[in-house]
Amino acid sequence: DQQVKQNSPSLSVQEGRISILNCDYTNSMFDYFLWYKKYPAEGPTFLISISSIKDKNEDGRFTVFLNKSAKHLSLHIVPSQPGDSAVYFCAAQDPDSWGKLQFGAGTQVVVTP
Amino acid sequence: ETGVTQSPTHLIKTRGQQVTLRCSSQSGHNTVSWYQQALGQGPQFIFQYYREEENGRGNFPPRFSGLQFPNYSSELNVNALELDDSALYLCASSSRTGMTDTQYFGPGTRLTVL
Repeated sequence: DQQVKQNSPSLSVQEGRISILNCDYTNSMFDYFLWYKKYPAEGPTFLISISSIKDKNEDGRFTVFLNKSAKHLSLHIVPSQPGDSAVYFCAAQDPDSWGKLQFGAGTQVVVTP
Repeated sequence: ETGVTQSPTHLIKTRGQQVTLRCSSQSGHNTVSWYQQALGQGPQFIFQYYREEENGRGNFPPRFSGLQFPNYSSELNVNALELDDSALYLCASSSRTGMTDTQYFGPGTRLTVL
């Protein structure tokens, strides 16, 4: 069963504007969430994470928001740059299965000039 | 760049054959996880090795097996290859400190089974 879902397979955004990527999860036991970015022919690159005890974490242009009651998290990229064009994966850690990350299917982001 | 390396980059095998994929973890990391990523999907957890022992396994059959060596590098072995095993195989290393596990991925090995 898919416990982490990214319902938007693609997102197109203009350079300089905000990109908002969404992720929903079903397992309330998840306690740590991560976002990865992936270019073609490369492995996923870690971007930013958030623990379940927080509701926001910021790192430069990237901010992750966590809404535990809604089992929802989002990644904001401001401002979007052409180099941000990639596939973004949301992942969650299950504390009952330490080290096992469950991934969403990914969202393809295209930043246009 | 994460410092996690994988070999080979690409591999073509035929159904029924066996394959070994290799991973060198990032310096200072003692844990290696393996994932399978099929086209258009997110990575699926295969198993994890911590201090040379398997520590958690996903929904993969026993023909998927692995090893971790004293230097924390790792191998993924797949026996009796099937067409559906064609995928990108990703290795991720991490350091087991605290309650969270930020995993850093290698570039992957693209396996094609004909």
